[in-house]
Order: sequence, then structure tokens, then C-alpha cells
Amino acid sequence: DGGITQSPKYLFRKEGQNVTLSCEQNLNHDAMYWYRQDPGQGLRLIYYSQIVNDFQKGDIAEGYSVSREKKESFPLTVTSAQKNPTAFYLCASRVLGQGSEAFFGQGTRLTVV
Amino acid sequence: QKEVEQNSGPLSVPEGAIASLNCTYSDRGSQSFFWYRQYSGKSPELIMSIYSNGDKEDGRFTAQLNKASQYVSLLIRDSQPSDSATYLCAFSPTGTASKLTFGTGTRLQVTL
Repeated sequence: DGGITQSPKYLFRKEGQNVTLSCEQNLNHDAMYWYRQDPGQGLRLIYYSQIVNDFQKGDIAEGYSVSREKKESFPLTVTSAQKNPTAFYLCASRVLGQGSEAFFGQGTRLTVV
Repeated sequence: QKEVEQNSGPLSVPEGAIASLNCTYSDRGSQSFFWYRQYSGKSPELIMSIYSNGDKEDGRFTAQLNKASQYVSLLIRDSQPSDSATYLCAFSPTGTASKLTFGTGTRLQVTL
């Protein structure tokens, strides 16, 4: 089945640790995105990429890093510099073009313990 | 000024009524607009996309775009309890064609 797979679904991190969230898509989409969602809030853009080996910062990139070595994969690393990382993280992808919708993965819920 | 603004709600409507959700945006050059529905703890799912001025209808849903006034709205006719969710608007601005920005969402409650 085509789609976007995020893993893990739940992730616990100790303070001071880096963790990496996985996002893989087999839809042959050009663009991929990472969003953060806090309780009762909307989606805030962390990073996005429209081509392999290129990505742009979103509105809240501090404390996060990404890579886009393959078209299918867009992993997100939450570094120890991110002081409040507990949130729901959503990965999305879409083809580029007017009106093209974004498809979302199931999300990863990250908790700092 | 925020790029996109939505009333956080909750917006409460009785079953069978019309729910009206609104979103304003600041970038006059924005191209494409989207309405997503998100149930608690789940991922957003697309309801409709619109990129031309006017109305676009799909079943019980109608999206309205007014680029001159910089707003996009979503009407839900014959609201059902299953429509209770958070509704997110999103837009893709010109110039950075791949960027996709979301609003904060409006929580809709359909009461029996």
C-alpha cells in the first residue's frame, strides 16, 4: 500500500539526549514536511524539503535538524538544544503543484522523561 | 501579523445546522488553500482544496475563497456529531511553492 510511515508511534527521551524520528513515503512525492503540534494547538512547521539534498527551515527550526538523502526519507532529529520537545510530531508529503494536497503519517508522540 | 489566523473556538452548532468556519491570511500572493479535519490524537485529513475565487462544493462541504479580502471559509451543511473535530486551514504561498503553512485550527462541536 502507498503511504507515509512514521516510526516510532511513541518515543520517550531523557533530557540531554538526541532522538531521531523516522518518516518514509512510497508515494513518489517531491516535497516532505515536519510539523510539531502541542495540545490544543495547530501545526507549526519545523522543516520542509522539496528535493533531495535540499531543505529549508520552517517557523520553529531551532533545536531540530533534518536530512534528505533519499527522496523517500526525511528523518527529523530532536537535539538536546530543543528545550521543550514534548509534543506530537507529524510528517507529511505531497507532489508540487497548485492545489496538491499533503498526506500525513500517523505521527510520533515524543515525551521527555 | 500572523500568516494565517483562525478562531480557536469551540464553535458549537446543533445537529442539522450549518457550521461556518473562517480563516484569514496575510500573503496576498498565496496560491492554494486547504481545509483539513483532525480528530483528537489523529493525523489531519483533507476535506477540500481551493485555489480559484468563488465557491467549491463537495457533498455537505463548501469552501469559499475571496482573494481580494484574503479569507477562505468552510461551510458544513447538515452538521453531524461525527463532524465534531478540529478544522485546520492551510495555504501554500507563491515564491516558495513547497512551503505549506497551517492555522491554529477551530474546534467544532456538534450537539445533539
